[in-house]
Amino acid sequence: EVQLLESGGGLVQPGGSLRLSCAASGFTFSSYAMSWVRQAPGKGLEWVSAISGSGGSTYYADSVKGRFTISRDNSKNTLYLQMNSLRAEDTAVYYCAKVPWGEFLVMANYFDYWGQGTLVTVSS
Amino acid sequence: SYVLTQPPSVSVAPGKTARITCGGNNIGSKSVHWYQQKPGQAPVLVIYYDSDRPSGIPERFSGSNSGNTATLTISRVEAGDEADYYCQVWDSSSDHPVFGTGTKVTVL
Repeated sequence: EVQLLESGGGLVQPGGSLRLSCAASGFTFSSYAMSWVRQAPGKGLEWVSAISGSGGSTYYADSVKGRFTISRDNSKNTLYLQMNSLRAEDTAVYYCAKVPWGEFLVMANYFDYWGQGTLVTVSS
Repeated sequence: SYVLTQPPSVSVAPGKTARITCGGNNIGSKSVHWYQQKPGQAPVLVIYYDSDRPSGIPERFSGSNSGNTATLTISRVEAGDEADYYCQVWDSSSDHPVFGTGTKVTVL
């Protein structure tokens, strides 16, 4: 059974940093691209970032480019999101999501499994 | 970037059929995926590639896509179907996924 468990969320001041983790199990982690998707309180879903199965390719939404860094440790079956220069508008539940293939840049790509999410609140 | 428009809400009586639309420019040329999100829970994939169902998703859920509108249809609606539903496509101009605005389905 595929399981994705996020951690690392919390309250942080504007301009601060936070690192999210997503522990994966139930599948061959290194064979699949992974992604982060966020949801601001009471709002819809927004794609944030993605990484290929090998970790060699990374992708970012314009809203986080230059501030967030996605990475993975395939030996630990764990996905990360390093978030720097955080802003109030980054406040959201952050979900990690699995992609059905090893690469992210696949036409008609989608997310077949999601974690339960971790809440990040940026406030002074 | 590519914009997907959904009605904010749809209400349906138990046992009836709910239809949730997802509008986009020539969306019929793209593959559309649908997610169900119950309150306080993570999204769950219910339809991919316009009309395919993942294992474990009831046959009551079906999808179609043509022209400028994709549709998620829930037949014989149950109380447990009450949730937010999001459509999603791949935006080839920006090379990233795009989600619709979401539709809240209320079972009367």
